[in-house]
Amino acid sequence: EVQLLEAGGGLVQPGGSLRLSCAASEFTFSIYGMNWVRQAPGKGLEWVSSISGLGSTHYADSVKGRFTISRDNSKNNLYLQMNSLRAEDTAVYFCAKFGVGSNCNSFTCYGYFDWWGQGTLVTVSS
Amino acid sequence: EIVLTQSPGTLSLSPGERATLSCRASQSVTSSYLAWYQQKPGQAPRLLIYGASRRATGFPDRFSGSGSGTDFTLTINRLEPEDFAVYYCQQYGGSPFTFGQGTRLEIK
Repeated sequence: EVQLLEAGGGLVQPGGSLRLSCAASEFTFSIYGMNWVRQAPGKGLEWVSSISGLGSTHYADSVKGRFTISRDNSKNNLYLQMNSLRAEDTAVYFCAKFGVGSNCNSFTCYGYFDWWGQGTLVTVSS
Repeated sequence: EIVLTQSPGTLSLSPGERATLSCRASQSVTSSYLAWYQQKPGQAPRLLIYGASRRATGFPDRFSGSGSGTDFTLTINRLEPEDFAVYYCQQYGGSPFTFGQGTRLEIK
């Protein structure tokens, strides 16, 4: 069964930085696009960013220019570098795998999210 | 950006009853690229339906999805205690991917 394990969350001051990671296993990581989705406390789901197997990236407007998604296919790891953090970035961050039939190009991605990690909590507060 | 509006916000039903959840899009969803997710407290979301009507592995046929264009429905027949959760719809026909605000299905 697919396994996704996030790490790196914690408490950070406004304006600070944090790097999340997601360790993937039990599937061929390099051929699947991956995503970060977040959920503020008591709120709904918000897509944050996607990356294709080859590295094309896409971001929500709310994080563009502050967050950077990346991947290391040799280590089966997904990352999210978060800079200039704000209070409104406080959330549980989930990594999620694109399902079969997904496709990403330089303009956009298409695909549902078939497996999710358990999430890591990021709290931005002074 | 496609805005998804789910209704009702909360649905109170008893085990054995039928639940009907609605998801309406602000514009047509490309190729019925509409998914539903189930989320229980303290857990990650779990894919339930994709392609508007295809059931994901692990869910019984009591769950069904339908719709196209801008109107989609998730139906759960013969509710079981484990079905009470929050359900989100999502369009995935192009980023930014968007989710509905969720429907909470609670035990009456």
